[in-house]
Amino acid sequence: DIQMTQSPSTLSASVGDRVTITCRASQSISSWLAWYQQKPGKAPKLLIYKASSLESGVPSRFSGSGSGTEFTLTISSLQPDDFATYYCQQYNSYPITFGQGTRLEIK
Amino acid sequence: EVQLVESGGGLVKPGGSLRLSCAASGFTFSSYSMNWVRQAPGKGLEWVSSISSSSSYIYYADSVKGRFTISRDNAKNSLYLQMNSLRAEDTAVYYCAKAEGWIDPWGQGTLVTVSS
Repeated sequence: DIQMTQSPSTLSASVGDRVTITCRASQSISSWLAWYQQKPGKAPKLLIYKASSLESGVPSRFSGSGSGTEFTLTISSLQPDDFATYYCQQYNSYPITFGQGTRLEIK
Repeated sequence: EVQLVESGGGLVKPGGSLRLSCAASGFTFSSYSMNWVRQAPGKGLEWVSSISSSSSYIYYADSVKGRFTISRDNAKNSLYLQMNSLRAEDTAVYYCAKAEGWIDPWGQGTLVTVSS
């Protein structure tokens, strides 16, 4: 199974900050990676697919990069609505696996 | 608008069974693979099972293999998850989701609680 490891687990930041979340795969997954945002009590929302493709309707301050085993999600200028938990997911092979999540909290 | 609506969750005793359903609308259901993903209280996301558009390919997480069965009825635009031999560790919100490799969109989820 492919293990996905996110860092950090918790990130404290302020409105307007640029933040980066990293996701590492235990083996190469090419660009078969997605990023999700989840708020308490809500279903996850797709932000990025194929490592760097922005989902329709997602603000352009979100961007993804990477390939192989190392990936990043960057938020260029944090907005109040962005404080949430973020997950990466690989879909290179079954079983599909998720990172453990990164909680983005207000500093 | 794509909609996925889960139902069938509830409280069940350890060793019991439950069948979850997911009603899909707003897209050509028969053309897409579908997933079940769960989230235990306060925990992260765990993929449970996937089924291809024609049910030819089915995959399960090791944690549910042999106990859960995924199925679909394309004529009814519906996805199902039959859960047997339930354990306390199966307690979670279960999400139905459309699959294209990435998972989108997700239903609102249905809570399954396994407790005596």
